[in-house]
Amino acid sequence: AQSVTQLDSQVPVFEEAPVELRCNYSSSVSVYLFWYVQYPNQGLQLLLKYLSGSTLVESINGFEAEFNKSQTSFHLRKPSVHISDTAEYFCAVSEAGGFKTIFGAGTRLFVKA
Amino acid sequence: EAGVVQSPRYKIIEKKQPVAFWCNPISGHNTLYWYLQNLGQGPELLIRYENEEAVDDSQLPKDRFSAERLKGVDSTLKIQPAELGDSAVYLCASSFGGGNYNEQFFGPGTRLTVL
Repeated sequence: AQSVTQLDSQVPVFEEAPVELRCNYSSSVSVYLFWYVQYPNQGLQLLLKYLSGSTLVESINGFEAEFNKSQTSFHLRKPSVHISDTAEYFCAVSEAGGFKTIFGAGTRLFVKA
Repeated sequence: EAGVVQSPRYKIIEKKQPVAFWCNPISGHNTLYWYLQNLGQGPELLIRYENEEAVDDSQLPKDRFSAERLKGVDSTLKIQPAELGDSAVYLCASSFGGGNYNEQFFGPGTRLTVL
């Protein structure tokens, strides 16, 4: 069965600094990978996903994540964060041919002025 | 387009009382999910519906939890009786199609406090 680990529960960072939120997964088969973001008092919403093809995927607001099969990782990065990026970020994994999506425990990104 | 609607947003009850949560998914989404989110954790699937059929309820504690999705649209999740450990956020999500590669759209959740 698949599992996902988010290595940092909280990441404080100053505005305009780069950030990386780490995600590692475990699975014996091919996977689909997702990052969801949850802003305060809102539901989770998809930020980006990897299904196949290019291992580097991007979101419309400047985030990117790279699927690294050998490292079983899908880290989320942004070169310059804004105050508005303050939120909780969840990494999730689904096994190809399966039905479940497993979510990590979340990383709370706190952007300071 | 309206998103996933959940009500109530907050509920406080005493232990052993019953409680119900309601979810209306995005129009046209045939797949509906109920998740449990404990503090500091990610969502954990309780039950998944394809139309009106519960296709995965393996994680639903059936001694006290029940769910229904009559007519394959909105859904209700019930707990009877509630226990202290049920305090959590209950999330509803929907997707167009049941494949686990599909984007799930989440509601804001219902925060349950059991005293």
